[in-house]
Amino acid sequence: EPEVTQTPSHQVTQMGQEVILRCVPISNHLYFYWYRQILGQKVEFLVSFYNNEISEKSEIFDDQFSVERPDGSNFTLKIRSTKLEDSAMYFCATPSGGATDTQYFGPGTRLTVL
Amino acid sequence: KNEVEQSPQNLTAQEGEFITINCSYSVGISALHWLQQHPGGGIVSLFMLSSGKKKHGRLIATINIQEKHSSLHITASHPRDSAVYICAVSNTDKLIFGTGTRLQVFP
Repeated sequence: EPEVTQTPSHQVTQMGQEVILRCVPISNHLYFYWYRQILGQKVEFLVSFYNNEISEKSEIFDDQFSVERPDGSNFTLKIRSTKLEDSAMYFCATPSGGATDTQYFGPGTRLTVL
Repeated sequence: KNEVEQSPQNLTAQEGEFITINCSYSVGISALHWLQQHPGGGIVSLFMLSSGKKKHGRLIATINIQEKHSSLHITASHPRDSAVYICAVSNTDKLIFGTGTRLQVFP
């Protein structure tokens, strides 16, 4: 079965530093999503990306966050100046046909902000 | 109030028991997803449904659109079914997640 990969699996950073989380989606999928899960809480939607632009974003996705698809295969989430409350598991997902299709999740990146 | 509510929050069972997890939602949806989250954190899609019922092995998912309710059933539960089961609904171009049901099945 095709799979989504994410790197790194765990990132530790100092508050105020920039981090880039990377996702390699399933090759022919056109929709890309980032979700996050703070420890002990539910999964939350951050942003959806289609046709090389953001299609929807949540209130969490403020100016500190950005997404891009730099080389046609990777899909990245950048946090410009990390805060303690950004500590969470970040999941990339690439359904084949948007939010109404089967979701394929990456294994996640655990971000720890000190 | 959460837009997606699950019950129970925690569930323990003996191997072989029939399990039911419930999900209610209060928003308009185009589809409902049942997901399984393993102890290591990985999330796997079990079902995506917009009407009726789907079955895969020992798992059955049903949805009642009029009542805004879905159930996930596990027949003949096994310790390897121990995981967090998450209900999520497709709303516009995103998923809205429930808080999950932690299931532990003991031998």
